[in-house]
Amino acid sequence: SQQGEEDPQALSIQEGENATMNCSYKTSINNLQWYRQNSGRGLVHLILIRSNEREKHSGRLRVTLDTSKKSSSLLITASRAADTASYFCATHDQTGANNLFFGTGTRLTVIP
Amino acid sequence: DGGITQSPKYLFRKEGQNVTLSCEQNLNHDAMYWYRQDPGQGLRLIYYSQIVNDFQKGDIAEGYSVSREKKESFPLTVTSAQKNPTAFYLCASSIGGGYTGDTQYFGPGTRLTVL
Repeated sequence: SQQGEEDPQALSIQEGENATMNCSYKTSINNLQWYRQNSGRGLVHLILIRSNEREKHSGRLRVTLDTSKKSSSLLITASRAADTASYFCATHDQTGANNLFFGTGTRLTVIP
Repeated sequence: DGGITQSPKYLFRKEGQNVTLSCEQNLNHDAMYWYRQDPGQGLRLIYYSQIVNDFQKGDIAEGYSVSREKKESFPLTVTSAQKNPTAFYLCASSIGGGYTGDTQYFGPGTRLTVL
């Protein structure tokens, strides 16, 4: 299965600290995306990084991609209580289908 | 107001009954998807549709059925053959039209509970 795995499964930090989440996957990809899910809600797209990119920024988010290690990281700087959510990575592989494969998620808690 | 909607938000089903979950989008997207999420888990793909009148099975299609008669609508039926249907169901759509792994836009979800 292409499904990715996030690490850690759960992360608890103080407001203002940085949060780093990691994602590993198994096969070659076209792109990797990060999504956020508030409890009991749908997912919201955060950022997409293509296989030929190594780093991307969006506001307080920084994503890196290492295709040689088949891994990605999501860094949230200067965290806020409102960042409390689950974060999922999703990969699009090279099989020709348009589907995304979602990881198991990291549950982030930011303590005010 | 553009977006993707799901109804109902909560659904209760007795064992042996079929139920249909609604998903509608007005984003003019070609592709639509149904996922199942169990507590503390990631998303698993049930069915997807790249275009009207066409759909494909995902990883866990057994016990589910779909139709795609209109571009805007992609209803999911959970049949009595699905042995463990209690879960959170998420519908998504993307621009589609190719195999590019587009960003997906999600509805708010339907929580199905079997009594």
